[in-house]
Amino acid sequence: AQTVTQSQPEMSVQEAETVTLSCTYDTSENNYYLFWYKQPPSRQMILVIRQEAYKQQNATENRFSVNFQKAAKSFSLKISDSQLGDTAMYFCAFRSSGAGSYQLTFGKGTKLSVIP
Amino acid sequence: GAVVSQHPSWVICKSGTSVKIECRSLDFQATTMFWYRQFPKQSLMLMATSNEGSKATYEQGVEKDKFLINHASLTLSTLTVTSAHPEDSSFYICSAKKGLGSETQYFGPGTRLLVL
Repeated sequence: AQTVTQSQPEMSVQEAETVTLSCTYDTSENNYYLFWYKQPPSRQMILVIRQEAYKQQNATENRFSVNFQKAAKSFSLKISDSQLGDTAMYFCAFRSSGAGSYQLTFGKGTKLSVIP
Repeated sequence: GAVVSQHPSWVICKSGTSVKIECRSLDFQATTMFWYRQFPKQSLMLMATSNEGSKATYEQGVEKDKFLINHASLTLSTLTVTSAHPEDSSFYICSAKKGLGSETQYFGPGTRLLVL
């Protein structure tokens, strides 16, 4: 079974600064998908970024980028130019690429606070 | 876009009653929908996977007779909490996946259930 570990329960960052959230996972599979989801106080889960394991290039979405280290099974999220609206819980998630394996396995989350 | 709605957004009920929660994909057909439960300050725990026209697949430890799931159409899945008790109070979130080849789940806004 896959496991996802987020070792930082809480983090804070000054507005406009950069912050990195850590995520490690454990799997014996070679192909899979990784995601970062954001859950603001409204509790609506929002997809931030996704990475396909077979792609070596790190995914980027505007101010959000990942550092995907497949051998180390690490998938960290970097938020640049942090904004107050980035304050939220951030969940790292894993999904197998096997046929019919659509379930997401979530980490326990990191609570990020952006300080004005 | 990929919008998922849930109804109701919150519900309060008496112990022993049943509560139905609806999950709809508004602008796409969802072959697979998922139901999660989230306790305060915790991660999302998958309860069941629902495929249109077939029986739901429940995760270990989830009582299928208590949490009835129906996925009667490609845009609607329902979760019925039968004979609800205070320990069933939680935040229930659904997500939906587009057809084959899509690896991203789109989440509904969640339903907060309080059983008195």
